[in-house]
Amino acid sequence: DIQMTQSPSSLSASVGDRVIITCRASQTISTSLNWYQQKRGKAPKLLIHAVSSLQSGVPSRFSGSGSGTDFTLTISSLQPEDFATYYCQQSYSTPIYTFGQGTKLEIK
Amino acid sequence: QLQLQESGPGLVKPSETLSLTCTVSGGSISSTSYYWGWIRQPLGKGLEWIGSIYYSGSTHYNPSLKSRVTISVDTSKSQFSLKLSSVTAADTAVYYCARLDYSYGPTSFDYWGQGTLVTVSS
Repeated sequence: DIQMTQSPSSLSASVGDRVIITCRASQTISTSLNWYQQKRGKAPKLLIHAVSSLQSGVPSRFSGSGSGTDFTLTISSLQPEDFATYYCQQSYSTPIYTFGQGTKLEIK
Repeated sequence: QLQLQESGPGLVKPSETLSLTCTVSGGSISSTSYYWGWIRQPLGKGLEWIGSIYYSGSTHYNPSLKSRVTISVDTSKSQFSLKLSSVTAADTAVYYCARLDYSYGPTSFDYWGQGTLVTVSS
């Protein structure tokens, strides 16, 4: 099984901060990595597909990078609506999928 | 706009079978570019993929749940369903249905239902 580990598990930041969330795979997953945002009480929302492709409507302050085993989600300037939990997900082992444990982004 | 809606009992007794249905609207469940899946999330915890199904009936399951999971599809009703047998309190979670897009690049879950809480309790 491919395990996905995110760091940090939680993070406090202020509006306007630049935030980086890391996701590490237990083996190489090439570029088969997606990112999701989940707000309290809501379903996850696909933010970034294939490491760095922003979904339609996602603000450009979100960006993704990486390949192989190490990936990052960067929010260049935090906005109030960005406080949420973020999950990475690998599909290298399609049709078996795994998610990271999540990173909770809180207001400082 | 594609919409997915979960339905089913919110309370299931231990050792019984959890049954949920996802109704797809605003798009075709028979599209060749997509699978349809179930994901669950225990309260306050992370996401776990349960399994996926193609409109033809081809299925894939999480190995950790495979012995207890059955996913089926009814294209005439634009629905797919989840059955999880021999449930315990550990199966208490919010259950989501979602569309899996594999038409471009790595498969992603691009549309989600709102989720439904299922509690396992006597």
